[in-house]
Amino acid sequence: KNEVEQSPQNLTAQEGEFITINCSYSVGISALHWLQQHPGGGIVSLFMLSSGKKKHGRLIATINIQEKHSSLHITASHPRDSAVYICAVVLTGNQFYFGTGTSLTVIP
Amino acid sequence: DVKVTQSSRYLVKRTGEKVFLECVQDMDHENMFWYRQDPGLGLRLIYFSYDVKMKEKGDIPEGYSVSREKKERFSLILESASTNQTSMYLCASNILKGEQFFGPGTRLTVL
Repeated sequence: KNEVEQSPQNLTAQEGEFITINCSYSVGISALHWLQQHPGGGIVSLFMLSSGKKKHGRLIATINIQEKHSSLHITASHPRDSAVYICAVVLTGNQFYFGTGTSLTVIP
Repeated sequence: DVKVTQSSRYLVKRTGEKVFLECVQDMDHENMFWYRQDPGLGLRLIYFSYDVKMKEKGDIPEGYSVSREKKERFSLILESASTNQTSMYLCASNILKGEQFFGPGTRLTVL
């Protein structure tokens, strides 16, 4: 079973490009998280969403509850944005289900 | 700053050994989690705990056990390590329905 699907799996972009990573889920959720993992590093939380849109610097996350879909956008991408981006959904209770991640490489 | 620490970044063990992975958080979170992360499979929940001495099995508990004797500490135990338990192990904590805070991970190799 795979409650969370991310696309694309891998993404290479030129510095400055606008990037979109997509997440679809198949179950009812109470919240959705976007996480970032740098090579060899731990995981940090970028956003927690239950509706609408959130923005932090060059990162924007949106969610459409009816369509069971979320997107993470990066504007003016930079090589330091290179990382794995992970979508996670929270079902009722406190159990998280994670996508397999999108590996982003931004080339100078 | 929330801090979740794990006892080792890298660990090499032999098949059959008993392995202890320790996780400590300093934010008084009720909930703590152990995940393993494998390429192409994402994060999978091994066990979680919602209170001291309380534990619940996750999706892949076979071959593992856990211990939570104090609120800040959650230990993962591999009773008899096997090569298929070679993986990255990540600990996390949160308050109910809040964002999870992750430790740096332990890369375990079982030879």
